[in-house]
Amino acid sequence: GQQLNQSPQSMFIQEGEDVSMNCTSSSIFNTWLWYKQDPGEGPVLLIALYKAGELTSNGRLTAQFGITRKDSFLNISASIPSDVGIYFCAGQTSDVDNYGQNFVFGPGTRLSVLP
Amino acid sequence: DAGVIQSPRHEVTEMGQEVTLRCKPISGHDYLFWYRQTMMRGLELLIYFNNNVPIDDSGMPEDRFSAKMPNASFSTLKIQPSEPRDSAVYFCASSLRVGLREAFFGQGTRLTVV
Repeated sequence: GQQLNQSPQSMFIQEGEDVSMNCTSSSIFNTWLWYKQDPGEGPVLLIALYKAGELTSNGRLTAQFGITRKDSFLNISASIPSDVGIYFCAGQTSDVDNYGQNFVFGPGTRLSVLP
Repeated sequence: DAGVIQSPRHEVTEMGQEVTLRCKPISGHDYLFWYRQTMMRGLELLIYFNNNVPIDDSGMPEDRFSAKMPNASFSTLKIQPSEPRDSAVYFCASSLRVGLREAFFGQGTRLTVV
């Protein structure tokens, strides 16, 4: 079935540094989503992307929908301690019908920010 | 609105026991989703409902798992009998319409089967 790969699996950075992570697949997706999960909480949507090449920002976060539609990237600028958590990408192949079959999550990138 | 509310937050049970997880979606949301999260398999969609009707349960791992939504404000996920491999965090999410973009997750129930 469809699978998403995220890299890196984990990363340790200094406060103030920029962060880059990506999500790749062998399948084409029509929608890419990026979520953040804090310890003991459910995932929270950060950014949604709907078109190949689309670049979208949400504060210090910027995400891009890859041209090939098989990947997506998330960047965090000037990291702060509250950026700690697990970042998940999720891909969807269709906006309607068969929702349960074609929406998948990546395994996540665990981010640690050192003061 | 308080968001999606799940209970209990933590559950420890012995193998073979019945486990019931509960979810109250956000008022007015038509869709409700149950997810399971494990280190090995990540986040997996188990089942989702539209207007209280199960639409897709292909993600339910086996017959030991069942889910119901008797009304618009309540859903349960039941495991009977439970097994150690069922240990995971179970999330409930709800949305106004299909599409995870607009889905809001609960805080999850951490289930441990010993």
